[in-house]
Amino acid sequence: DIQMTQSPSSLSASIGDRVTITCRASQGINNYLAWFQQKPGRAPKSLIYAVSSLHSGVPSKFSGSGSGTDFTLTISSLQPEDFATYYCQQYYNYPPTFGQGTKVEIK
Amino acid sequence: EVQLLESGGDLVQPGRSLRLSCVGSGFTFSSFEMNWVRQAPGKGLEWVAYISDTGATVHYADSVEGRFTISRDNAKNSLFLQMISLRAEDTAVYYCTRMRATWVGSDYWGQGTLVTVSS
Repeated sequence: DIQMTQSPSSLSASIGDRVTITCRASQGINNYLAWFQQKPGRAPKSLIYAVSSLHSGVPSKFSGSGSGTDFTLTISSLQPEDFATYYCQQYYNYPPTFGQGTKVEIK
Repeated sequence: EVQLLESGGDLVQPGRSLRLSCVGSGFTFSSFEMNWVRQAPGKGLEWVAYISDTGATVHYADSVEGRFTISRDNAKNSLFLQMISLRAEDTAVYYCTRMRATWVGSDYWGQGTLVTVSS
């Protein structure tokens, strides 16, 4: 199975901060990389697919980048509604695997 | 508006069975591949099972292979997960997800249904 490792596991940030979360795959995933946002008690929400494409309705403050085995999710200016846990996922082959999550908290 | 609505979660004893359902609306259900993903309490996300748009192809996580069966009824816009020989470690919220395309992955998630396996 492909292992997905996110860092950091948690971070504290202030409103307006630029936040970056990284995700590393244990092998190449041909850019089949997605990001999800989950708020407490809620279902995950799909943010990004294919490394950098935003799903419909996702604000442009979210962006994704990377290639090969190293990928990044960036939130350009953190807002109160962005405090959540973020997961990366590879869907290049089965089983699709998720990172362990990064919890973004208010400083 | 795309909606996925899961149901069937319950408290069950170890070794018993349960069937989850997910009804899709707001889109042509038969044109989309579907998944089940679960989340144990306080834990991360774990993919469980996949089914193609026709139902001809399925995949399972090793942790559920041989115990869980994914299926669908396109005439009823419904996805199912039949679970047998349930274990305590199957306790989780189960989400169904729609796959927009193989190269896109999951785009919509249901609200989830809670399965608790305990004596």
